[in-house]
Amino acid sequence: QSALTQPPSASGSPGQSVTISCTGTNSDVGDYNYVSWYQQHPGKAPQVMIYEVTKRPSGVPDRFSGSKSGNTASLTVSGLQAEDEADYYCSSYAGSNNLIFGGGTKLTVL
Amino acid sequence: EVQLVESGGGLVKPGGSLRLSCAASGFTFSIYSMNWVRQAPGKGLEWVSSISGRSSFIYYADSVKDRFTISRDNDKKSLYLQMNSLRAEDTAVYFCARGPSGASRPLFLDFWGLGTLVTVSS
Repeated sequence: QSALTQPPSASGSPGQSVTISCTGTNSDVGDYNYVSWYQQHPGKAPQVMIYEVTKRPSGVPDRFSGSKSGNTASLTVSGLQAEDEADYYCSSYAGSNNLIFGGGTKLTVL
Repeated sequence: EVQLVESGGGLVKPGGSLRLSCAASGFTFSIYSMNWVRQAPGKGLEWVSSISGRSSFIYYADSVKDRFTISRDNDKKSLYLQMNSLRAEDTAVYFCARGPSGASRPLFLDFWGLGTLVTVSS
């Protein structure tokens, strides 16, 4: 399976909203509701922000939300804060017992 | 508090072997699927392997199939990755990550360790 497609970078000013896309195919994102999003600060372990497309783990601010339309999933960060600056990765179950990731998006808070 | 601590990384020559370990605490280890995910220097994440709670279901990425073996010891609350026939392209930080409880497939990963660096070089 090929990796999911994410934009390499995204940016926004504090308080603004930014949306990061994650495009797959009808064999992964489009076929399963198992899209998740991970935040990774430099040198740190990834942290799940969204799982099963829209679910937010306890402790994750409600500024983070997920959605999916067809073969494209999206992560929206509202009310951007400085600490949101990080790399973000999407992943999807891809059938045949495989989990695939996107290439990652570097989010910059201007 | 859920904690996952990897160990066993290091420098190994091409064709060599290495065994990674992951010590888990803070949750009922035996009911959760566990995974290994790697990240090459400056690159993105790549799922490597998963194992269900009772080791009934084991899966590998094509890139490591027939070279890596995942296993677990529920009594010791530990996850392992035996890596053989290592190649330069296996150089990466290897993360231990928890999957959903009761899952037989790699669906998502809700807790991650800090990782251990594996460098394959002559």
